[in-house]
Amino acid sequence: AQSVTQPDIHITVSEGASLELRCNYSYGATPYLFWYVQSPGQGLQLLLKYFSGDTLVQGIKGFEAEFKRSQSSFNLRKPSVHWSDAAEYFCAVGDNTDKLIFGTGTRLQVFP
Amino acid sequence: GAVVSQHPSWVICKSGTSVKIECRSLDFQATTMFWYRQFPKQSLMLMATSNEGSKATYEQGVEKDKFLINHASLTLSTLTVTSAHPEDSSFYICSARGAVGGQPQHFGDGTRLSIL
Repeated sequence: AQSVTQPDIHITVSEGASLELRCNYSYGATPYLFWYVQSPGQGLQLLLKYFSGDTLVQGIKGFEAEFKRSQSSFNLRKPSVHWSDAAEYFCAVGDNTDKLIFGTGTRLQVFP
Repeated sequence: GAVVSQHPSWVICKSGTSVKIECRSLDFQATTMFWYRQFPKQSLMLMATSNEGSKATYEQGVEKDKFLINHASLTLSTLTVTSAHPEDSSFYICSARGAVGGQPQHFGDGTRLSIL
């Protein structure tokens, strides 16, 4: 069955520290992969997406993600976290951009 | 670009009433719109997919007579929760996608629905 796993429910980091949010997927075909961020009480904002090509994808707000087919992973990274990055992060997978399957999310807390 | 507006952002109503939520694509033509439901501290669950001018496709377990979806134009889709009950209280989020292949979904800010 198709699924997305975000193993970390809650992550806390200090401002300025590096960040990596994990995402593993189970998918039969080559997936379309996405990372979205959600601030409290708001909708989702697209951080970055991977369809094909270069497996290291650059997104907005200084985020990047790397697609590793052998590990079925699409981890999100940021070299230096800002307090404004505190939010909920969702990884999503699909066979196109229509029927997306979302992970359960990782809540990021940033300490000053 | 790719802005999706959702209205209202918050609504409280009595049990038994119907509530309409609007989703508009402001700067692009949304051939496909999606409606999601999100319970507190949980992920998004797709409720239905609608294509402009066609009937919506509902996911398994979603009552189509309960959640009426209309996508009459390329910039507007509406979700009507009919005869709402407290168990329908949730955060409803819409998203929209343009016609060009490979376009990602762009999300509205959501509507928090509370049924008393």
